[in-house]
Amino acid sequence: DAKTTQPNSMESNEEEPVHLPCNHSTISGTDYIHWYRQLPSQGPEYVIHGLTSNVNNRMASLAIAEDRKSSTLILHRATLRDAAVYYCILRDFSTSGTYKYIFGTGTRLKVLA
Amino acid sequence: DTGVSQNPRHKITKRGQNVTFRCDPISEHNRLYWYRQTLGQGPEFLTYFQNEAQLEKSRLLSDRFSAERPKGSFSTLEIQRTEQGDSAMYLCASSSGNEAFFGQGTRLTVV
Repeated sequence: DAKTTQPNSMESNEEEPVHLPCNHSTISGTDYIHWYRQLPSQGPEYVIHGLTSNVNNRMASLAIAEDRKSSTLILHRATLRDAAVYYCILRDFSTSGTYKYIFGTGTRLKVLA
Repeated sequence: DTGVSQNPRHKITKRGQNVTFRCDPISEHNRLYWYRQTLGQGPEFLTYFQNEAQLEKSRLLSDRFSAERPKGSFSTLEIQRTEQGDSAMYLCASSSGNEAFFGQGTRLTVV
């Protein structure tokens, strides 16, 4: 299973943008890049996913490097509710893949009021 | 749709006892996953079902652990002869596409 590397923790001020990096140098051509977050005492929650092109949704944006060896999750205006652990995950979408999600230790985001 | 439901939310058991957890996925989600999470760690994959077929099991799933999804709907995870090291949050997730939906988990404490 391809691995991802993320910083253990980051801080941001409220109302400011946050860029959460992820390195995945061993990514294969059949891996999607997924981001989930986990708020305290909750199960993980889907944030966004992408393959090659940058993606936007109501929660965040995902910027994917041209060589796909790294990506960045962008929260455009951090709020206190965004304080969570953010996980970057590679997921094999090929027909022989098992669709499982392999979590690392993630980045703990602290948002300062 | 009320999301993924897990029961019980909390379970305290004595070492050596058997425990069973239940997961009710979102209706018509064909994929169901079980994960285990300990404090400060990300969720660890345990097993995965596609409908009623258990397609993959982690090495973490020792012979004391068994999971079933008999009719491709709800699933159960049983731990036999519990050990203190089994204390963790057990998470269930279901999916029919690219997005997985997680339950709030069952917190197991083995005393």
